[in-house]
Order: sequence, then C-alpha cells, then structure tokens
Amino acid sequence: QVQLVQSGAEVKKPGASVRVSCKASGYTFTAHYLHWVRQAPGQGLEWMAIIHPSGGNTIYAQKFQGRVALTRDTSTSTVYMELSSLRPEDTAVYYCTRVASPTAGPAYFFDYWGQGTLVTVSS
Amino acid sequence: EIVLTQSPATLSLSPGERATLSCRASQSVGYYVGWYQQKYGQAPRLLIYDASKRATGIAARFSGSGSGTDFTLTISSLEPEDFAVYYCQQRSNWPMTFGQGTRLEIK
Repeated sequence: QVQLVQSGAEVKKPGASVRVSCKASGYTFTAHYLHWVRQAPGQGLEWMAIIHPSGGNTIYAQKFQGRVALTRDTSTSTVYMELSSLRPEDTAVYYCTRVASPTAGPAYFFDYWGQGTLVTVSS
Repeated sequence: EIVLTQSPATLSLSPGERATLSCRASQSVGYYVGWYQQKYGQAPRLLIYDASKRATGIAARFSGSGSGTDFTLTISSLEPEDFAVYYCQQRSNWPMTFGQGTRLEIK
C-alpha cells in the first residue's frame, strides 16, 4: 500500500534550519509529483513547494523563496524539505503529499499524505 | 494569488441532516476545485476533485458541484464520523491555495 512516512518532530531556535524527510513506498516513486503543505496550530493549510522525484525539478511558493529547498534521493525513495532562517511563525505541522495521478501535471489534488512533522521554533 | 473563501466558518448540524458547505474563489478557477476532510490530529483526506468527482473510496453521500467562482460540497445525510473540518483547494493558478476551512460540528 502507498505510504509516505515522515521524520519525527523537531524543536529549533529562531534563525536555525530544519530538514524534514518523507520516505515513499508502495508505488513508483518517480511517477508522482510530491508537494509540501504546512499547517500552523489551529490554522488552515498552506502550500509551500513541489518536486518531481524523477528529474528533481522544483517550484516554490513565492513566500518561501530563498528559505526552502527540496531535494530527493531516488535510491531510497525519499524527499527532503529544508527550511532555513526559522522564525516562531514557522511553527507548524509540515506534510508531504502525493499528487493523485501520475499523468497529471504538477498542479493537482493530493491522495496520500504523510503523517505530518511538527516543527516548533522557540527560543 | 487566488483567495478561496469558505462559508460558514462553523456549521452545527445533527446526524441525519444535510450539510451544505460553500467555497467562493476570488476569480474564476474553472472546475479545478477539490475538497478535503480533516479530523483532529490527522492529515487531510481527499473527498472530491475537479468540482464533482468523488475520490476513490469516498461514500456516495458526499457530492460536489459548481464552476467558475462558486462551489458547494454537500453531505446528504450526516454520519457521526463526518463531523470534522473541510477545506477546499484550487489548482487552476499558481500558487495552489486552500480555503480557511469550515468546521462541521455536532449540534
């Protein structure tokens, strides 16, 4: 079965960086775009970035340009999201999520989600 | 950036009743809207995509409609497990955006 398994919770100080991993299994890793979406405590969903695991092409939301970077390791079917210059307002649950169709473009809907990784930014 | 405005913010209904949730876009998004359900402490679950298509395994009591700027998610007869937060999402324009959510609570 399809699974996206994310790394564990992180606590970081302002100004630091965090790296969250998302390991995919149960499907052809290179066939589906993977996105990152975050959710601040008690708030809604915010789209951050996308990567195509095959070529490594990325698109980042303008809000996060220069602070976020996605990479992938096809040998382990893992995508990494690194967010730098952390601020308290970056405290959120970060989700990786898969585009539902392998033939859809990068902008589509999400059928499988990771369990979420809580990143807490506090001095 | 396209803004999606969901209404109402909170909807209080009883099991067995019909729920109607609205999502309005700040400009036309065609029919490229989806709906997700999120329960406390869980990741969102895709219910509807491209305005009216039910995702795999989603019960027939969930239906979606609309095009352009106005979209509706209807739950025909509420089951106890349907009480959750619902989000709409558009994929028409970058960046993809979500509505702020409608909380469906038990009356």
